[in-house]
Amino acid sequence: AQTVTQSQPEMSVQEAETVTLSCTYDTSENNYYLFWYKQPPSRQMILVIRQEAYKQQNATENRFSVNFQKAAKSFSLKISDSQLGDTAMYFCAFMKMNSGYALNFGKGTSLLVTP
Amino acid sequence: GAGVSQSPSNKVTEKGKDVELRCDPISGHTALYWYRQSLGQGLEFLIYFQGNSAPDKSGLPSDRFSAERTGGSVSTLTIQRTQQEDSAVYLCASSSQGWNEQFFGPGTRLTVL
Repeated sequence: AQTVTQSQPEMSVQEAETVTLSCTYDTSENNYYLFWYKQPPSRQMILVIRQEAYKQQNATENRFSVNFQKAAKSFSLKISDSQLGDTAMYFCAFMKMNSGYALNFGKGTSLLVTP
Repeated sequence: GAGVSQSPSNKVTEKGKDVELRCDPISGHTALYWYRQSLGQGLEFLIYFQGNSAPDKSGLPSDRFSAERTGGSVSTLTIQRTQQEDSAVYLCASSSQGWNEQFFGPGTRLTVL
């Protein structure tokens, strides 16, 4: 079974600053996907960024980027130029390839962006 | 261009009653998932449907939980003889293929008194 650990239950950052959310995972699989999802107070889960394990290049989506360290089983999310609308719960998730495709989530990090 | 919809948005029931939660996936999406989000357990996978294949029920917590997907579209999650520990937000997601992005609905908040 895969486990996903987010060691920071809560974080706070000032507007326009940069923040990094941590995620580690445990798996014996070699091929898999990793995701960061955002859940604002509206409860709607929104995909932020996705990384295929076979790709060495770190994924980037506008102000969001990841630092994927496969050997260390680490997948951190960096948010640059933080905005008030980034306030939300952030979930790291793991998906095995070719087997079920269910997402295995971490417990989440609550991020508060302050003015 | 509608997203995933779920109904009801909130459901309050008494312990021992049966409840049905509905999910309408994005049109054309062949994969459909149910997850449960609770304070104590975080986000847990419940069940996965892919096309006409037999569903993956490996995440269902007990035989009181069941789900069906009619015509490869709408899905209903049924919880029989509800218990207080069933109180949670039940999220549905769909994707065009199993490995593609999962789009989530707004969830149904279930409260069992």
